[in-house]
Amino acid sequence: EPEVTQTPSHQVTQMGQEVILRCVPISNHLYFYWYRQILGQKVEFLVSFYNNEISEKSEIFDDQFSVERPDGSNFTLKIRSTKLEDSAMYFCASTQRGAYNEQFFGPGTRLTVL
Amino acid sequence: QKEVEQDPGPLSVPEGAIVSLNCTYSNSAFQYFMWYRQYSRKGPELLMYTYSSGNKEDGRFTAQVDKSSKYISLFIRDSQPSDSATYLCAMSAAGNNRKLIWGLGTSLAVNP
Repeated sequence: EPEVTQTPSHQVTQMGQEVILRCVPISNHLYFYWYRQILGQKVEFLVSFYNNEISEKSEIFDDQFSVERPDGSNFTLKIRSTKLEDSAMYFCASTQRGAYNEQFFGPGTRLTVL
Repeated sequence: QKEVEQDPGPLSVPEGAIVSLNCTYSNSAFQYFMWYRQYSRKGPELLMYTYSSGNKEDGRFTAQVDKSSKYISLFIRDSQPSDSATYLCAMSAAGNNRKLIWGLGTSLAVNP
């Protein structure tokens, strides 16, 4: 069964460093999302992406964040200068056109900022 | 008022019990309602998806939506130890994007 994959599973970085989180969505999906989950808190929407551009972004998704689909398979989230409060699980999700709400999630990347 | 509220539990039941999980919400624009299951340190896994009010059944799982009360439920019949996980409700409004707004999740333990 097709699935969303994410790498790395765990990333440890120093405050102020740049990180890139990678996702490979399901191959025939067209809408892509990033969410994050701080330990003990709700899953929060960060950004949605369709047709090579951002569809919507949350207040969390400030200038330190960017997304990119560099080729036909990968979808990346970059944090330019990490802060302690960026420590969280980051989940990538994708969905087919016409089935927008059946979002399929990857296993997540646990980001630890020291 | 928070957009989506969900009692975090924990909820502990014996094997075979009927489990009832619930969420309330405040945004009347929500039209799509989902239940996800999440195992520790894993990604959410879609269990049920319902549009607007009504019931939907899939095996041992039944999802109910009452838009008039802004209340959604997930019932698990004949619960199994393998059902032990965190159950998250999520919902979205109409529109092309349909970002998901989440509850906190309810931790469920089914004891053999």
